Amino acid sequence: TQLLEQSPQFLSIQEGENLTVYCNSSSVFSSLQWYRQEPGEGPVLLVTVVTGGEVKKLKRLTFQFGDARKDSSLHITAAQPGDTGLYLCAGETRGSQGNLIFGKGTKLSVKP
Amino acid sequence: DAGITQSPRHKVTETGTPVTLRCHQTENHRYMYWYRQDPGHGLRLIHYSYGVKDTDKGEVSDGYSVSRSKTEDFLLTLESATSSQTSVYFCAISDPFWGQGEDEQYFGPGTRLTVT
Repeated sequence: TQLLEQSPQFLSIQEGENLTVYCNSSSVFSSLQWYRQEPGEGPVLLVTVVTGGEVKKLKRLTFQFGDARKDSSLHITAAQPGDTGLYLCAGETRGSQGNLIFGKGTKLSVKP
Repeated sequence: DAGITQSPRHKVTETGTPVTLRCHQTENHRYMYWYRQDPGHGLRLIHYSYGVKDTDKGEVSDGYSVSRSKTEDFLLTLESATSSQTSVYFCAISDPFWGQGEDEQYFGPGTRLTVT
């Protein structure tokens, strides 16, 4: 069974702090997506990384795909209360017919 | 935002009754998925469809069936609901480009189902 381990499960920080969320697996992924989900809503795609070592930036969010394409990280600089939510990583393997394996998520709370 | 709607948004039903959830898309995407989301388990794939009348099982398909008679609609049926099927159900769509290593899924707003 392929697994994506996300850490930490919960994170509570003050506004202005930096944080990093990790997503690890023993499987190699052809791509990895990061989603953000707010209470009562469906996940919303933030970014897709495809190439080993790739780094993508989305304003204060930096996403990195590991060189071996088995892990990824999400770094948020100067977190704001609006960043509060559940962050999910999801990996796709070759031949999976588009099926994604989801991590269990990191629940982030940013206090003003 | 991708045009995906789910109905109903909330439902309470009794054990043993059949329940059908509907997912409707206006994006003409080939693939459609049904997930359930539970605390401690994350999102788990129930069934998916890769075209009209083409469906396959996911990780947690027992007790569920699906049908796709039109590109835009994907139905999830619980033949005889059980309390273990109390969950939040999400539909997603995608249109993968094979060979490019990307499959971006777009999710609906979810259906909260309670089986009493």
